[in-house]
Parts: sequence; C-alpha cells; structure tokens
Amino acid sequence: QVQLVESGGGVVQPGRSLRLSCTASGFTFSSYGMHWVRQAPGKGLEWVALISHDESNKSYGDSVKGRFTISRDNSKNTLYLQMNSLRADDTAVYYCATDEVPPGPFDHWGQGTLVTVSS
Amino acid sequence: SYVLTQPPSVSVAPGQTARITCGGNNIGSKSVHWYQQKPGQAPVLVVYDDKDRPSGIPERFSGSNSGNTATLTISRVEVGDEADYYCQVWDSSSDHGGCVFGGGTKVTV
Repeated sequence: QVQLVESGGGVVQPGRSLRLSCTASGFTFSSYGMHWVRQAPGKGLEWVALISHDESNKSYGDSVKGRFTISRDNSKNTLYLQMNSLRADDTAVYYCATDEVPPGPFDHWGQGTLVTVSS
Repeated sequence: SYVLTQPPSVSVAPGQTARITCGGNNIGSKSVHWYQQKPGQAPVLVVYDDKDRPSGIPERFSGSNSGNTATLTISRVEVGDEADYYCQVWDSSSDHGGCVFGGGTKVTV
C-alpha cells in the first residue's frame, strides 16, 4: 500500500532554513507528481508546491514563491522541500501528497511533519 | 484569485443526510475534489472529479457540481463521519495555475 513518511520538521528561528523530506513506498514514485500542502495550527489546508514526476514542471503557492524549493530524487524515492527565509507564518504541519496525473486530486497523504518558526 | 466558499459548520443527526456546499465562480466548469480530515489525522480523498469515489470510500459519499456550487453529500450519516471537509480545485487562470482549497466545513454528528 502507498506509504508516505515526512521528516525534518522541528523548531527553527525566523530567517533560518530547514529541509523537509518525504520518503515514499508502495507505488512507482518516479511515475507520480508530488505536492507539499501545509496546515497552520487550527487553520485550513494551503497548497505549497508541486513537482512533476520527472522534475520538468515545478510550481509554488504565492506565499512561498522565491523562498521554498521543491525537488525529488527518484533513485531514493524521496521528495524534498527546501525552506529558506522562514517566517512565523510558515509555522504549520507540512504534508506530502501524491498526484497521479497533475494537476489532479491529492490521492494519498503522509501523516505530516510539524515546522515551528519561533525565536 | 479564485475563491471557494464553504459553510463553517454543518450539524446532522445519525442516519440523516449531510450536504456540504462549495461555492465558486462558475465552479461547474472545474473538477472539484473533496477531502475528509479527522482530528489529528491527515486528509483523505473521498470524492474526486466532482463525483467519483476512490477505492475504499463508501457509496454513502457522493458529489455533484453545477453552476456556481459543488456539493458533497453524505447519506446515512454515521458518528464516524464527524470531521472537517475541504473542497479543492485547480485554477488555471492564476499565474501559477495554482491549487485552491475551500476554508473547510466542520461536520458534527
């Protein structure tokens, strides 16, 4: 079965950087588009970024454009999110999700990793 | 930018029908996806492309989409259906062709 496991979250000071990872199993990772979606405490869902199966297409939400970078390593079945210049309003649970034919529905989700930006 | 509007809450008795709306300008021209999120858990896709159900989702969950409103209908509601529900579309008109979520609806059973 599809399994997505996020890691790399934690507490980080404003202005610093953090890299999240999402390790995939149970499906052909290299054939799927992937997303990052976040959820601030007590708030709704916010899409962060998309990457196509072969990295040829990347797109970002307005609130993270220019600060965050999505990437993947298909040889390691791993998705990444490099987050730079972090702000307090980036505090959220970050989920990775699959998308078989982007842009489409988010078929499967990981359990999320919490990022807290605080001094 | 494109906006999706959901009612903050819906209350329904067990065994009855819950209807959750998602309003957007000419949303009937877009494909709408719905997610269920229980407390402390990740979201789960329950309806995609307006009305299709992923494998494992009960037939009690159905969707429709026309004009300016999409609707998720939960028939014969169970206590276990209590959750937040989010609608989602892709908006090709935005600069980045971005994803839009509704604000979410809390269903209380």
